[in-house]
Amino acid sequence: GQSLEQPSEVTAVEGAIVQINCTYQTSGFYGLSWYQQHDGGAPTFLSYNALDGLEETGRFSSFLSRSDSYGYLLLQELQMKDSASYFCAGNTGFQKLVFGTGTRLLVSP
Amino acid sequence: EAQVTQNPRYLITVTGKKLTVTCSQNMNHEYMSWYRQDPGLGLRQIYYSMNVEVTDKGDVPEGYKVSRKEKRNFPLILESPSPNQTSLYFCASSLGASATYEQYFGPGTRLTVT
Repeated sequence: GQSLEQPSEVTAVEGAIVQINCTYQTSGFYGLSWYQQHDGGAPTFLSYNALDGLEETGRFSSFLSRSDSYGYLLLQELQMKDSASYFCAGNTGFQKLVFGTGTRLLVSP
Repeated sequence: EAQVTQNPRYLITVTGKKLTVTCSQNMNHEYMSWYRQDPGLGLRQIYYSMNVEVTDKGDVPEGYKVSRKEKRNFPLILESPSPNQTSLYFCASSLGASATYEQYFGPGTRLTVT
């Protein structure tokens, strides 16, 4: 089956840089996207990688290496409001989208 | 305003009592899906729909039904709810199924089955 694994929790301080990893075990992978979810809220889209390499969107960057079955989300200049859960998501088949297990990021002052 | 709406937002019910959670989107999206979210398990896809009258199973379809009679609506039906269906449910819509496309999520429905 398809699975995307993430660390369950990551902690960091304001102003720091943090990397959230996503490793997957599946074949015919089409790409990786990232979502943010605050407590009590719905997931919201952050970024997408169709090809290998780094995609940058403001303070957030996402990286994909299909040969290594690995991707990560990089958050720079961390702010308290970045405390949330982060999910990677990908699909192999045309219709099915699979989400990772999620990483809870705790940002402290 | 572009949005996905779900109703109800909270529901407490008893085992075996049929229920429907409605989902509606106003973005003319073709792809819609239902997810359940449980602690430590992330978001798991229940059913998805590529277009009107086209639906298929996701990873955890047992105990659920869906229909897509209109493009904007995608209700989730629990014919005989059981306690293991207690969860947080999200409806989502997008232009397509690929991870390329941003999934727009509804606000969620917290269901408790006693």
